[in-house]
Amino acid sequence: DGGITQSPKYLFRKEGQNVTLSCEQNLNHDAMYWYRQDPGQGLRLIYYSQIVNDFQKGDIAEGYSVSREKKESFPLTVTSAQKNPTAFYLCASSIGTGGDEQYFGPGTRLTVT
Amino acid sequence: AQSVTQPDIHITVSEGASLELRCNYSYGATPYLFWYVQSPGQGLQLLLKYFSGDTLVQGIKGFEAEFKRSQSSFNLRKPSVHWSDAAEYFCAVGEGNNDMRFGAGTRLTVKP
Repeated sequence: DGGITQSPKYLFRKEGQNVTLSCEQNLNHDAMYWYRQDPGQGLRLIYYSQIVNDFQKGDIAEGYSVSREKKESFPLTVTSAQKNPTAFYLCASSIGTGGDEQYFGPGTRLTVT
Repeated sequence: AQSVTQPDIHITVSEGASLELRCNYSYGATPYLFWYVQSPGQGLQLLLKYFSGDTLVQGIKGFEAEFKRSQSSFNLRKPSVHWSDAAEYFCAVGEGNNDMRFGAGTRLTVKP
């Protein structure tokens, strides 16, 4: 089955630790995205990548980093510089950007205490 | 600046009643328009999309949406709501090579 996988489903970390969220897709899509979702705020774009080895900051990139070494993988690192990291993180992919439908993974809920 | 507004944060309807969720956008040209649904703790699933052509778009699960350029709206409708429709609904807008913008979402509660 084609789709997007995110792991783990739940993640717990202590404050001050970096943590990496995994996102893999087997849809052969060029573009991939990371969103943060907080109650009442919808989806906010953290980073996106239109092609391998290239990525752009979204609206709330501070405290996050990404890499795109392979077409199918787009991991997100939440660094200790992120002031409020506890949130639900969604990864998505699309054939291209802008007008193309995005396909979403099941999400990772990160809790930092 | 590009923006998407969903005026209703929370809507409650009775099972079997009709539903309309509102979405307004602010874009320079004719955008690509989407409606997604999200069940609690899950990712988003596409309900329908509009690119061009017929302004009334049919989607999955019995949903439809109408693009009204004069009102900059893309409202989602369903004639008869089922209890399983309870979820959060997001309107989204994309344009050209720009990233997609999402509204803040509308949470739907269905009363038995």
